[in-house]
Amino acid sequence: EIVLTQSPGTLSLSPGERATLSCRASQSVRGSSLAWYQQKPGQSPRLLVYSASRRATGVPDRFSGSGSGTDFTLTITRLEPEDFAVYYCHQYFTSPLTFGPGTKLDIK
Amino acid sequence: QITLQESGPTLVKPTQTLSLTCTFSGFSLSTSGVGVGWIRQPPGKALECLAVIYWDDDKRLSPSLISRLSITKDASKNQVVLTLTNVDPGDTATYFCAYRTLISIRGVTPFDFWGQGTLVTVSS
Repeated sequence: EIVLTQSPGTLSLSPGERATLSCRASQSVRGSSLAWYQQKPGQSPRLLVYSASRRATGVPDRFSGSGSGTDFTLTITRLEPEDFAVYYCHQYFTSPLTFGPGTKLDIK
Repeated sequence: QITLQESGPTLVKPTQTLSLTCTFSGFSLSTSGVGVGWIRQPPGKALECLAVIYWDDDKRLSPSLISRLSITKDASKNQVVLTLTNVDPGDTATYFCAYRTLISIRGVTPFDFWGQGTLVTVSS
């Protein structure tokens, strides 16, 4: 099983700042099949990025993903108030499919 | 437009069997590459993929729950059923179903579309 570790656990920033979230896999993620989701309280996860760096339909360009192998990053430039949420990484090539523990992005 | 909706009991007693149904529209589980998965989230905790069933009836179950889990599909009814036996309070969670495909112009996809989730509480 591929274990995903996310850091930091909590990130406190102000609107307008830049956020950098990390996801590390216990083994190489094949095909860079790594996605990022945003989840707000009481809502289903929303797909932001897939294939490590491709934005999903309708996702603002302030969200960008990068990385390959075992190390991946989600960057949010110029944080907007609606960006404060929990973010999960997810590897979707190797069964069992796995998610990271999440990074909570909260307002400083 | 792809939609998914979970349904089932909101309260289950310990040792009982939990059955949840995912009813979907906008795609067919007979289409090559298509899969429907179940993901759960205990209150305040992370997401956990429990099971995925594919168009060809291939099933992938979580190794940690494989002895208690089963997943079936009825493509004609556009439904997927998850069954979890011998539940305990640790199974209290919001259960989501979600769509993915192994064949698209994007290649293999993650869970693109999700249901709203259903909260199941295990308590006597």
